[in-house]
Amino acid sequence: AQSVTQPDIHITVSEGASLELRCNYSYGATPYLFWYVQSPGQGLQLLLKYFSGDTLVQGIKGFEAEFKRSQSSFNLRKPSVHWSDAAEYFCAVGVGGATNKLIFGTGTLLAVQP
Amino acid sequence: GAGVSQSPRYKVAKRGQDVALRCDPISGHVSLFWYQQALGQGPEFLTYFQNEAQLDKSGLPSDRFFAERPEGSVSTLKIQRTQQEDSAVYLCASSPNLNEQFFGPGTRLTVL
Repeated sequence: AQSVTQPDIHITVSEGASLELRCNYSYGATPYLFWYVQSPGQGLQLLLKYFSGDTLVQGIKGFEAEFKRSQSSFNLRKPSVHWSDAAEYFCAVGVGGATNKLIFGTGTLLAVQP
Repeated sequence: GAGVSQSPRYKVAKRGQDVALRCDPISGHVSLFWYQQALGQGPEFLTYFQNEAQLDKSGLPSDRFFAERPEGSVSTLKIQRTQQEDSAVYLCASSPNLNEQFFGPGTRLTVL
């Protein structure tokens, strides 16, 4: 069955420090992979997506993610975190077919220390 | 342009009441999805429409949940005889091409 694992429930980083949020997926075919961010009371905003091609994808707000098929991973990175990045981050896999519904991980809550 | 809108933003219902949650997708988006997000969890798929056709309702948790999109635009998610376990945020998303879903702000349902 398709699944997404985000092993870190909560992460705290200092402003200006680098960030890596982990995501592992289980899916039999070539996955469509996504990272979304959710601020309190807000809907999900797409940060970036991977469908095919270059395994390092760039997104909005200075985020990037790298698809590693051998590790079934799609980790999100940012070289320097800003206080405004504090939010919950969700990794998702699109299961394709006629629906391409998204299977989400449980999320990682990011706190940023001044 | 306008994004996906949902109403009401907050809904409190007594156990056993029926509720209706509305989603206005981005104009022209063919695909529409409903997700349920319980507290502390990621969103979980409920159902999918392509225009007015409900092509996948495999995620609906019980027959108390019903969704419709009669004219291929606005969609309504109805929950009959609400139970406490229905308390969650209900997210709607629309998509022009199945490759990217645009989410609304959600409706937070609290069942007392």
